[in-house]
Amino acid sequence: DVVLTQTPPTLSATIGQSVSISCRSSQSLLHSNGNTYLNWLLQRPGQPPQLLIYLVSRLESGVPNRFSGSGSGTDFTLKISGVEAEDLGVYYCVQSTHAPWTFGGGTKLELK
Amino acid sequence: AVQLVESGGGLVQPKESLKISCAASGFTFSNAAMYWVRQAPGKGLEWVARIRTKPNNYATYYADSVKGRFTISRDDSKSMVYLQMDNLKTEDTAMYYCTSNWAYWGQGVMVTVSS
Repeated sequence: DVVLTQTPPTLSATIGQSVSISCRSSQSLLHSNGNTYLNWLLQRPGQPPQLLIYLVSRLESGVPNRFSGSGSGTDFTLKISGVEAEDLGVYYCVQSTHAPWTFGGGTKLELK
Repeated sequence: AVQLVESGGGLVQPKESLKISCAASGFTFSNAAMYWVRQAPGKGLEWVARIRTKPNNYATYYADSVKGRFTISRDDSKSMVYLQMDNLKTEDTAMYYCTSNWAYWGQGVMVTVSS
């Protein structure tokens, strides 16, 4: 199974600060069809997850453009350019290139 | 607007069965692969099961932790997806979410397995 390792597990930030979260895969997430099925989700406290980024870098409709995704192969990054209070919660990367589909362990974003 | 609404959760004893449901609306359900994802209390997300569409023969996939015990199914005429859970274990205690391709999520339904 593909193992996704997220770092850091916890991130403390002030409002307006830019932060990055890393997601490293145990094997390449490049599918034979040329797509890389790596997504980023945000789960706010008491809420279901919400899709932020799909296919590594594509912003889901309605998601603020302070969120951006990058990477390829086995190394991926989610960047928030200017944290806002509503961004607090747990961020997960999830891959759907290789069955079984797997999630990273999560990164909790807290206010400093 | 897109909606996914889960139902059927509750408290059951080990080795018992439970069937949870997810009602979809606001998108072309028959064209969407559907997933069940669970989250144990205070833990991260775990993919449970997936069902593809009719052109893909409704192919199903399961996590090793539930294979042979859980069955995912769908009724396109009703825009419903189901998860039949048999021989439940205490470690199956979790919030169960249905999702369509990670973009749409329900609010979740709690399943508690305890004697």
